[in-house]
Amino acid sequence: DVKVTQSSRYLVKRTGEKVFLECVQDMDHENMFWYRQDPGLGLRLIYFSYDVKMKEKGDIPEGYSVSREKKERFSLILESASTNQTSMYLCASSFPGGIYGYTFGSGTRLTVV
Amino acid sequence: SQQGEEDPQALSIQEGENATMNCSYKTSINNLQWYRQNSGRGLVHLILIRSNEREKHSGRLRVTLDTSKKSSSLLITASRAADTASYFCAPSGGSYIPTFGRGTSLIVHP
Repeated sequence: DVKVTQSSRYLVKRTGEKVFLECVQDMDHENMFWYRQDPGLGLRLIYFSYDVKMKEKGDIPEGYSVSREKKERFSLILESASTNQTSMYLCASSFPGGIYGYTFGSGTRLTVV
Repeated sequence: SQQGEEDPQALSIQEGENATMNCSYKTSINNLQWYRQNSGRGLVHLILIRSNEREKHSGRLRVTLDTSKKSSSLLITASRAADTASYFCAPSGGSYIPTFGRGTSLIVHP
């Protein structure tokens, strides 16, 4: 069964910590995405990547960075976590053009205290 | 990127009834996709309809697309309690980056 795996289901971090959210896909997808989901705001795109070592800003990149050193892995980095980054984070992947749809991970619920 | 807007925000029906959700978007698209999200989980891809298609079926799901009105609808026939979830549309334009709205929260009462 093909899948997108997010390393943690729940995560609690302290303000100011550097946080790494990992996402791994086993479908040989070129494209990978990071979204955050907040009540009343829907899903918002943080960053995406079309290929290894490539990254593009989404709609809300401030306070985040990403890394894609290998095709199957796309990491989201919170350089200095803040309480307003408490959210559900969703990773997704797809073939170019998303012609077969996008496959999502189960999400990481991050709480920053 | 453009965003789909789902309507209604919430829908409550009885098991066996049909559920219809609508999606509107602003600019031209290459395709439009529908996803389901069970509480606290990731999104699951349901169906993709291309801009040159008008209707598509998958099991109890029927999706229509009207590019002249920039709108789509998702119909779930003979709803079951297990269909309780949030449903999102994702219009995809030239950049092929899917964007999601706030979704429609569907509750199906047994």
